Amino acid sequence: KAGVTQTPRYLIKTRGQQVTLSCSPISGHRSVSWYQQTPGQGLQFLFEYFSETQRNKGNFPGRFSGRQFSNSRSEMNVSTLELGDSALYLCASSTRQGSGANVLTFGAGSRLTVL
Amino acid sequence: TQLLEQSPQFLSIQEGENLTVYCNSSSVFSSLQWYRQEPGEGPVLLVTVVTGGEVKKLKRLTFQFGDARKDSSLHITAAQTGDTGLYLCAGAGSGGGADGLTFGKGTHLIIQP
Repeated sequence: KAGVTQTPRYLIKTRGQQVTLSCSPISGHRSVSWYQQTPGQGLQFLFEYFSETQRNKGNFPGRFSGRQFSNSRSEMNVSTLELGDSALYLCASSTRQGSGANVLTFGAGSRLTVL
Repeated sequence: TQLLEQSPQFLSIQEGENLTVYCNSSSVFSSLQWYRQEPGEGPVLLVTVVTGGEVKKLKRLTFQFGDARKDSSLHITAAQTGDTGLYLCAGAGSGGGADGLTFGKGTHLIIQP
């Protein structure tokens, strides 16, 4: 079966712009989590959506937001981009809410470069 | 804030050698996972350990969860070039991970032929 699909894979933006990233989870998976990966901080939890509701949020500013649609596809948006937002944004899906001992399947990520 | 410290940060060894990487914390985790990430890809789950003292084997990889559920190790026997990658440990807090996984910064492993 198809894995987690993230689009776009690569994008370049300038400071002050906004960006929307998309994630299509594995069919049947209702939980979608987003993580930011940078060389300095590693992977950091952004937020999780389950059944179209944000269930939890990491320690990121309000410029980072997301949503989930009825088909479980998710988008995340970053507004007023800063240089420090340059990172690999990873989406992971699972069948159940909460990471715990769940099996998370990650997509290949969207690499954002902010100039 | 729960933190996971991984060591070493970088490791380069010859094919056929053995190695151990460590994942340590001062916090207790309800479960701990190990992932491997290759360039241009997302992390892939290798194993989940839940019980203190648990040992799991995956071919040449042996994973151990500390008795106090604060630390874990990954041992690779007779490393192969295909083992090259970024190894990440990730812990779920007492809330069962409802607040997301806490990841270590990873061990960059290079196996030289």
